[in-house]
Amino acid sequence: EAQVTQNPRYLITVTGKKLTVTCSQNMNHEYMSWYRQDPGLGLRQIYYSMNVEVTDKGDVPEGYKVSRKEKRNFPLILESPSPNQTSLYFCASSRYAGTENTGELFFGEGSRLTVL
Amino acid sequence: AQKVTQAQTEISVVEKEDVTLDCVYETRDTTYYLFWYKQPPSGELVFLIRRNSFDEQNEISGRYSWNFQKSTSSFNFTITASQVVDSAVYFCALSAWGSTLGRLYFGRGTQLTVWP
Repeated sequence: EAQVTQNPRYLITVTGKKLTVTCSQNMNHEYMSWYRQDPGLGLRQIYYSMNVEVTDKGDVPEGYKVSRKEKRNFPLILESPSPNQTSLYFCASSRYAGTENTGELFFGEGSRLTVL
Repeated sequence: AQKVTQAQTEISVVEKEDVTLDCVYETRDTTYYLFWYKQPPSGELVFLIRRNSFDEQNEISGRYSWNFQKSTSSFNFTITASQVVDSAVYFCALSAWGSTLGRLYFGRGTQLTVWP
């Protein structure tokens, strides 16, 4: 079954304690991206990756890191989480052919993170 | 700059009514894609449609239809004979070629509630 898997789905942590949200897709997609969803703000892009070893900042990259060492995985790292990073996080992937992003993003189920 | 505006924050209708969700976008790129995604109460994000900037044909899929008008920079979504299962948050999004390739810009979403 084609899917994007995020872990953990729910996490409560404390300020400053490093954490990683994993994201894995089994569709051999080149493009992967992270979004955060906050009430009234919609989805905002954090980072994205066009392919292995290629990552770029989105709208709200501050406080986050990513890496793309393998095509299937795109972890989101919060080195020193703060309360303003409390949010619902979505990972997504899509096929990316040349200069055209098909746009049919396949989303993970979301990870709800609370930073106390 | 790329921008998507969904002016309607919340809409309530009674079952079987028709409802239109508005989406206005801004871009200076001539090649771009517009999307609609649905987020039901369960939280997952579901792709509904993609449209490229060179294809202004309206699209109909069952009770759903989309009206793309470049002259007004709008990509509106109409649900005919709404049903309770249509209750969800709907997001419009924009992806453009050019300097922001790889970025996907979402509107803030419209919460649609369909009452029985």
